[in-house]
Amino acid sequence: AQTVTQSQPEMSVQEAETVTLSCTYDTSESDYYLFWYKQPPSRQMILVIRQEAYKQQNATENRFSVNFQKAAKSFSLKISDSQLGDAAMYFCAYRSARNSGGGADGLTFGKGTHLIIQP
Amino acid sequence: AAGVIQSPRHLIKEKRETATLKCYPIPRHDTVYWYQQGPGQDPQFLISFYEKMQSDKGSIPDRFSAQQFSDYHSELNMSSLELGDSALYFCASSPRGLAENEQFFGPGTRLTVL
Repeated sequence: AQTVTQSQPEMSVQEAETVTLSCTYDTSESDYYLFWYKQPPSRQMILVIRQEAYKQQNATENRFSVNFQKAAKSFSLKISDSQLGDAAMYFCAYRSARNSGGGADGLTFGKGTHLIIQP
Repeated sequence: AAGVIQSPRHLIKEKRETATLKCYPIPRHDTVYWYQQGPGQDPQFLISFYEKMQSDKGSIPDRFSAQQFSDYHSELNMSSLELGDSALYFCASSPRGLAENEQFFGPGTRLTVL
């Protein structure tokens, strides 16, 4: 079974600064997908960024980027120019690609990191 | 844009009662997933359906069952409710069930068991 570990229960950053959230995972599979989800106080789950394990290039989405180290099984999220609206719980998630031809594997989430933005 | 619809949004039940949660996926999405998020916890995957067939199974208790109907909506049936079942239940949907496809989450149903 796959496991996802987020070792930082809480992080704090000044507005406009950069912060990095850590995530490691354990799997015996070679093909999979990794995600970062944001959960604001509304509890809505919002996809922030996605990384395919077969791609060496790190994914970026505007102010959000990842550092994907497949050999180290590490998948960190960097948020640049932090904004007050970035305050939320951030969950790292893993999904197997074994059913890529049609199927629906569930996501395995880490415990989450609570991100606080200081004005 | 249309989103995943979950009903009811809030539900209060007594111990040992039953509950049914409903999920209406985004139009043209044929895959549905159910997750349970306890207070202060990460979401736990329960079960998923692709083209009306069960596709993957997670930590779903035997007291729970689910199905996907011909119009692709899904229902999660929960019996003999326990205090520990109090949680936020998310439904998510995606097109074609492909691993790379984003799972779009609904707003959740908050179940409280008294």
